[in-house]
Amino acid sequence: QKEVEQDPGPLSVPEGAIVSLNCTYSNSAFQYFMWYRQYSRKGPELLMYTYSSGNKEDGRFTAQVDKSSKYISLFIRDSQPSDSATYLCAMSGAGGSYIPTFGRGTSLIVHP
Amino acid sequence: GAVVSQHPSRVICKSGTSVKIECRSLDFQATTMFWYRQFPKQSLMLMATSNEGSKATYEQGVEKDKFLINHASLTLSTLTVTSAHPEDSSFYICSAKSGGGGYTFGSGTRLTVV
Repeated sequence: QKEVEQDPGPLSVPEGAIVSLNCTYSNSAFQYFMWYRQYSRKGPELLMYTYSSGNKEDGRFTAQVDKSSKYISLFIRDSQPSDSATYLCAMSGAGGSYIPTFGRGTSLIVHP
Repeated sequence: GAVVSQHPSRVICKSGTSVKIECRSLDFQATTMFWYRQFPKQSLMLMATSNEGSKATYEQGVEKDKFLINHASLTLSTLTVTSAHPEDSSFYICSAKSGGGGYTFGSGTRLTVV
């Protein structure tokens, strides 16, 4: 079992839909949880990060962490064609040198 | 916000030559940087952790003599692919921890070895 599992998709939705992206993990030491967006042939861009369990909202994006279930989610409201990208979850333990572990990314396609 | 600048964005080189990729933290100091390799439709594969002023730590299976990493200052890390071969063609990305729990990535370098 990989430390971080993420469905690669692709996930295709109509414009305006609510998108739900998810990751599961096995390492209970993970404390920081991140979501990155990666456009084709570009470096990943940090969207959101959360510490421990709970929700965090930023505009159309909401990140949720359920440490008891080892499950994290990213919700995108009112999805736009410009949201079409690959979304990678990442997580790491506490401490400055704890290296993040990435999921393989979910490809999202938002069609007009 | 934190910015990591990576150059070049794209390079084509002949087989057997060496290529250097630079990664700079523009507005923060990065004692630790990370180098990743990414194949099409695959996740990021950590190659090595670059520590300022000391030797890099390589992941299992990564040839340290082939992928030379130098982290000479708090804002600059370089990856040199030595004696490049077509199988080294890939997308290379650096990142640095940029405060809080987040890691900032460079824009990536697409290496093509012909």
